[in-house]
Amino acid sequence: SQQGEEDPQALSIQEGENATMNCSYKTSINNLQWYRQNSGRGLVHLILIRSNEREKHSGRLRVTLDTSKKSSSLLITASRAADTASYFCATDRSNQFYFGTGTSLTVIP
Amino acid sequence: DAGVTQSPTHLIKTRGQQVTLRCSPKSGHDTVSWYQQALGQGPQFIFQYYEEEERQRGNFPDRFSGHQFPNYSSELNVNALLLGDSALYLCASSLTPVAYNEQFFGPGTRLTVL
Repeated sequence: SQQGEEDPQALSIQEGENATMNCSYKTSINNLQWYRQNSGRGLVHLILIRSNEREKHSGRLRVTLDTSKKSSSLLITASRAADTASYFCATDRSNQFYFGTGTSLTVIP
Repeated sequence: DAGVTQSPTHLIKTRGQQVTLRCSPKSGHDTVSWYQQALGQGPQFIFQYYEEEERQRGNFPDRFSGHQFPNYSSELNVNALLLGDSALYLCASSLTPVAYNEQFFGPGTRLTVL
């Protein structure tokens, strides 16, 4: 079974709104990474947060990590139509990365 | 600086055939990982190569094998293709140790098995 699970599976919002997606995982990790994938293409790395970090920002992205709850969230502020994509979290265990099934985000212009 | 490149972009094979996919890592990266992504699913880890050896392996049968060359590029070979092998195959490169470094993905190879 896959380590990371994203929630919700699908999310539809209006342009300008904020989008929040969550990731839960099962075992201890060294880091957690978030990726974006546009329509069956390669994955684009968004942000890496280490197990000793609680929050990280990159542009319009904010990622939090709660190791006690084994969960992470990705917040995209002021969403744009170009943010429409699938978003995955990936957690590492024994130098292997495990992906969830992703959150499909649709931003309506 | 070129990122991760993969070839070919698309491939169509029939059941029972063999296929080889290729990956060139991002400049400076020494570790290559391969993933299989079925439609509507997240990528699943196949295996990882470092210093020309397979270091980690996911839950995939021996029909899946690979190789890493001295220039860090890598191949994924799949023998005796099954219909269920149809997927997007992704290559990712990083520095070792992978657990502490970002992985950069290539655009993928879309394999269709008929």
